[in-house]
Amino acid sequence: EAGVAQSPRYKIIEKRQSVAFWCNPISGHATLYWYQQILGQGPKLLIQFQNNGVVDDSQLPKDRFSAERLKGVDSTLKIQPAKLEDSAVYLCASSALGSLNHGYTFGSGTRLTVV
Amino acid sequence: KQEVTQIPAALSVPEGENLVLNCSFTDSAIYNLQWFRQDPGKGLTSLLLIQSSQREQTSGRLNASLDKSSGRSTLYIAASQPGDSATYLCGCRASGSRLTFGEGTQLTVNP
Repeated sequence: EAGVAQSPRYKIIEKRQSVAFWCNPISGHATLYWYQQILGQGPKLLIQFQNNGVVDDSQLPKDRFSAERLKGVDSTLKIQPAKLEDSAVYLCASSALGSLNHGYTFGSGTRLTVV
Repeated sequence: KQEVTQIPAALSVPEGENLVLNCSFTDSAIYNLQWFRQDPGKGLTSLLLIQSSQREQTSGRLNASLDKSSGRSTLYIAASQPGDSATYLCGCRASGSRLTFGEGTQLTVNP
């Protein structure tokens, strides 16, 4: 079974620029999550999709962050404009629909540095 | 709101030692709890998943226990090796299916 794919692995941008991250979940996984992990901290949920609908985006800074999941498969997370405090690892995860007893599978993450 | 705490924040042990990592959570109404390993600059690798109805799970040298009533989980690593050096994260899945994480325990196993 292929894992969760994320790209790019690394990105360096200047503040006020825009950036986009891409995620391809495990085939058949209906639920997709984006997490932000600041250095030295645990991951924090930004947004959760079920198929192509948003389930939870309560912690997404909507003035600068946006996300979409076209056709309930791939997802993109965008930041515009970026701030220095957005420097973090952005992790994508997926899990199977139908039972909350399923675990999460994470991708390798995208490390963003804003200078 | 679920809060997850991991103790200790960092741990350094000599190779071969048995060790215990601790995770506590405030909302005992969880569906499951998952332990992950994270190597520097990498994503999260799932180690063990414990359902709310289970008391423990084992995989090789790893054993995770769950006590919902007290809001605690432990990860036991037997005969530690330098390759076990990583950050270990505990994640609790409660209502709404969100996985809430602790800050992690950074483990260093010295040869």
